[in-house]
Amino acid sequence: GAGVSQSPSNKVTEKGKDVELRCDPISGHTALYWYRQSLGQGLEFLIYFQGNSAPDKSGLPSDRFSAERTGGSVSTLTIQRTQQEDSAVYLCASSLNAAGTGDQPQHFGDGTRLSIL
Amino acid sequence: QKEVEQNSGPLSVPEGAIASLNCTYSDRGSQSFFWYRQYSGKSPELIMFIYSNGDKEDGRFTAQLNKASQYVSLLIRDSQPSDSATYLCAGAMDTGRRALTFGSGTRLQVQP
Repeated sequence: GAGVSQSPSNKVTEKGKDVELRCDPISGHTALYWYRQSLGQGLEFLIYFQGNSAPDKSGLPSDRFSAERTGGSVSTLTIQRTQQEDSAVYLCASSLNAAGTGDQPQHFGDGTRLSIL
Repeated sequence: QKEVEQNSGPLSVPEGAIASLNCTYSDRGSQSFFWYRQYSGKSPELIMFIYSNGDKEDGRFTAQLNKASQYVSLLIRDSQPSDSATYLCAGAMDTGRRALTFGSGTRLQVQP
């Protein structure tokens, strides 16, 4: 596809379950980012990938959160033993290369709305 | 203090007026700034980016950057009801972090 693709679009699960969120970036984009957005809030950075490596994991809120990227393309964000405070929209973005110059903006997918019961 | 600050609004302007959205940032080493528009329930959509001091115009939108004063603004001329959304300011901070740091957004309401 032409844009960033995320799945599922919605996920409802019980507290304590594990969830897996998927992101397929724009073809050719080497940088991939995960953010989350709670209701009425701004975007909170979680983790950034350059190729398959994650130079910056500083935004992951706890060790229940992990992410991987394979083949320099698809990324999976996994949340183990989900808690109610994990409820949010999880957004993935990609850019040609790492942000820092004006001609490499990040483009967002439609997000996964995660609800923990 | 947040690294990127925005007034949450709502900012209400009449149709056809100029809407002025402002953003301040704390990191003097910040290099690039981005304005995203986010409709309710939708993902952020890139409007403009700017990395040099001064103005950058694109259609009805003008981004302004003043690195000495550490502020960024977005002007929307001839505002339309369809411009009603939350506008997110984001900066690429020069802290070694490659991800963007986002403000909380300003909600704009354009009254018909």
